[in-house]
Amino acid sequence: DIVVTQSPDSLAVSLGERATINCKSSQSVLYSSNNKNYLAWYQQKAGQPPKLLIYWASTRESGVPDRFSGSGSGTEFTLTISSLQAEDVAVYYCQQYYTLPLTFGGGTKVEIK
Amino acid sequence: EMQLVESGGDLVKPGGSLRLSCAGSGFTFANAWLSWVRQTPGKGLEWVGRIKSKTDGETTEYAAPLKGRFTISRDDPKNTLYLQMDGLKTEDTAMYYCTKYYDGSVGALDVWGQGTMVTVSS
Repeated sequence: DIVVTQSPDSLAVSLGERATINCKSSQSVLYSSNNKNYLAWYQQKAGQPPKLLIYWASTRESGVPDRFSGSGSGTEFTLTISSLQAEDVAVYYCQQYYTLPLTFGGGTKVEIK
Repeated sequence: EMQLVESGGDLVKPGGSLRLSCAGSGFTFANAWLSWVRQTPGKGLEWVGRIKSKTDGETTEYAAPLKGRFTISRDDPKNTLYLQMDGLKTEDTAMYYCTKYYDGSVGALDVWGQGTMVTVSS
């Protein structure tokens, strides 16, 4: 199984400041035949199911604000919230879909400082 | 709007069985690859298994520890996905989510239900 590890476990950021979350996979999730990274990011607010934010490591899902961006390739990825808003308080997860079983990171809790 | 709605969660004794259902709407259910994901405070998000569309063979795959106890099936005319859980253990206690694969076979999960709670306890 591909192990997905996130860091940090939690972070507190001031409103309007940048939040950066890291995600590392135990093996590359870059598929050479199409040059796509099989990595997604989700946001989960309290009491709600996860919501898809980003897929292919950097493609925003429809309706997701452009302050959310994904980057990275191979085994190392980053989710950046460029200017944190109050409504961004949530737990964020990365997930690989390169191979089964689908596996998720442990989550990063983002709070307001 | 694409939607998934789970039902069937309950309190069940160890060794018991339970069947979860998930009704889909707002998309072509028959073409969708679907999966179940569960969430616990201790183990986080855990993929349970997946079923392909009928046109892709309707084959199933499961997380290794669950294979043999859990069975995923679908009824496309009813737009409904099922999860049959047998031989339940206390560690199966979790919120169970029904999810849809993005754009066919891509395993980014673009639609999630609200979840249904399964508690396994004596």
